[in-house]
Amino acid sequence: DIVMTQSPLSLPVTPGEPASISCRSSQSLQRNGYYYLDWYLQKPGRSPQLLIYLASHRAAGVPDRISGSGSGTDFTLKISRVEAEDVGVYYCVQALQTPPWTFGQGTKVEIK
Amino acid sequence: QVQLLQSGAEVKKPGASVKVSCKASGYIFTDFSMHWVRQAPGQRLEWLGWINTANDFTRYSQNFQGRLTITRDTSATTVYLELSSLRSEDTAMFYCARATIGDNGYQHLDNWGQGTLVTVSS
Repeated sequence: DIVMTQSPLSLPVTPGEPASISCRSSQSLQRNGYYYLDWYLQKPGRSPQLLIYLASHRAAGVPDRISGSGSGTDFTLKISRVEAEDVGVYYCVQALQTPPWTFGQGTKVEIK
Repeated sequence: QVQLLQSGAEVKKPGASVKVSCKASGYIFTDFSMHWVRQAPGQRLEWLGWINTANDFTRYSQNFQGRLTITRDTSATTVYLELSSLRSEDTAMFYCARATIGDNGYQHLDNWGQGTLVTVSS
């Protein structure tokens, strides 16, 4: 199975400041010009919600201050200006070699 | 709007089975597959399995082979997860999640149920 590793695991942030989360896969996630890497956010007490699919495509309703990038085995989720509603646990997941879909450990973002 | 409504919390004894339902509405049921994901306390999300609601094809995580069954009832637009031989480590929140099957079999989970807490305790 492909192993997904996120860093950092905890990220205190200041509102208005940028934030960045890294996700690394044990194998390249590229196929046919796409990277099979998605990002989800689980807000406190809520179900996960899709943020980014295929590494860089924003899901419906996701603000453009949230973006995804990367290639091969290294991917990044960036928030250009953190807002209070961005707190929660962010997960990356690989969708290339399935089953299974495998998730990273999660990165907990909280306001300083 | 898309809604995935899951059944209520369950408390089971070790060795028992549990069946969780996920009622879909707001879209054409057979146009999307359904996945199940669980989250044990303090742990990362763990993918369990999926069903193609159009043709009943299923795939499961090898970690649950033989214990996990996913079924669907198209007339009721409902998907079910049944997990048998429960142990304390199965205590978790279970989520259903809708997915689109794209090119090359790529799927992402674009809508999630509210979760069902399953507690396994003697």
